[in-house]
Formats: sequence, C-alpha cells, structure tokens
Amino acid sequence: AQTIHQWPVAEIKAVGSPLSLGCTIKGKSSPNLYWYWQATGGTLQQLFYSITVGQVESVVQLNLSASRPKDDQFILSTEKLLLSHSGFYLCAWSLGGNQDTQYFGPGTRLLVL
Amino acid sequence: QQQVRQSPQSLTVWEGGTTVLTCSYEDSTFNYFPWYQQFPGEGPALLISILSVSDKKEDGRFTTFFNKREKKLSLHIIDSQPGDSATYFCAASFSYQGGRALIFGTGTTVSVSP
Repeated sequence: AQTIHQWPVAEIKAVGSPLSLGCTIKGKSSPNLYWYWQATGGTLQQLFYSITVGQVESVVQLNLSASRPKDDQFILSTEKLLLSHSGFYLCAWSLGGNQDTQYFGPGTRLLVL
Repeated sequence: QQQVRQSPQSLTVWEGGTTVLTCSYEDSTFNYFPWYQQFPGEGPALLISILSVSDKKEDGRFTTFFNKREKKLSLHIIDSQPGDSATYFCAASFSYQGGRALIFGTGTTVSVSP
C-alpha cells in the first residue's frame, strides 16, 4: 500500500529565515506530485506540481520554490520566509490521467513570527 | 474564469438528517470533480468523485450530482452522523501545462448535532 509522509510535522520560524519542507511517497512508482498551501480556516491553493524527476511546474509561487530530486521525493523551500507564509502545507500524489485523483499527506503546520 | 464557488459556508444538521452542499463553476474545461473531507489538523481525504460524463455517483451514504448544463454539482449526505462533522471541499480538475491542476471551492464546515 502507498504511504505519504511529510516532514516536519510542524515548524515555528522567524521572518527572513530559510525553510525546507519535505514529502516522500512510498509504494507508487513515478507518481505526479503536488504542493498545496492552506491558510488557517481557508481553502487549498495548488502551488507546484511535478510529473517526473527534475521537472517542476509552478501554478502559484508565493515566493517559494519546489524541487523533485528523486522519484519519490518532493521538496518545498524558500531562502527568506515572510509572515504570509504561515499556514498548512500539504503534499499530494496522483497517477495522472483524466480521472486524476489526488491523495493528500498529513501536512506540515508552519508558523512564521 | 477558473474558480469554484461553494455554499453554504457552514451548516448544522441533526443526527440522522440530510446534508446538502453545492458548488458552481464557469470554466467548461473542468472535467473531473472530487469532493474532499477534512478534519482539523489533517490533510483532506477523498470522499467521492465524479467525471463530467456522469450525472450521479453514489457511495454508501454519500451521493454527488453533476449538472453539466448548469455547471453545478452537489453532495448529499444522508443519515448524517456526528463523525461526519468536518469541512468539505468540492474541487474541479483541468489540464494545465502537461499536468493537471485542481481548483478547490471555499469549503463548507458541517456540524452534526446528536
């Protein structure tokens, strides 16, 4: 069975500090991978997606970047955090195709002070 | 326009009652519509989904209806249980630069009172 793991579970960071969030998918070969951001009490906004290693497409950047260094790994990062980066970051995977169901990880809670 | 409108923002229903959530959209390229259930502090979980070639899909107590002409969809939860208390999101999927993008509605917070 496929599993999706996100790290860390939660972070408290200072404005201007760097950030790196990770996501790992086990049990699926060559999945499509996605990053989402969710403000507290808000909806989900797709940030990036990747259909293969080394290839990442931006949907909404929000002064963040993403990379896919391995088939099963997706990284979200920034060199300088803003207050507006606070929220819930979710990684998701899918197998592609028209009925491209996305399955979400447990998320990382980020608070920027 | 690539947005999905969802209503109501919140609702309360008695245990055993029926919950009805609705969404509408304008972009005709949307062709797949999943519904997600999210509990506080957790990632959303797929509840039920429907392709634009269908008008109804049922899974236990959950049924989603799709009206292509009116560009509307709805989620019906019958025999609502306290464990159904959560936030529900409709979403719309479309092709985007070689992949797929998912636009989420604004969410409906459902409270089921015993």
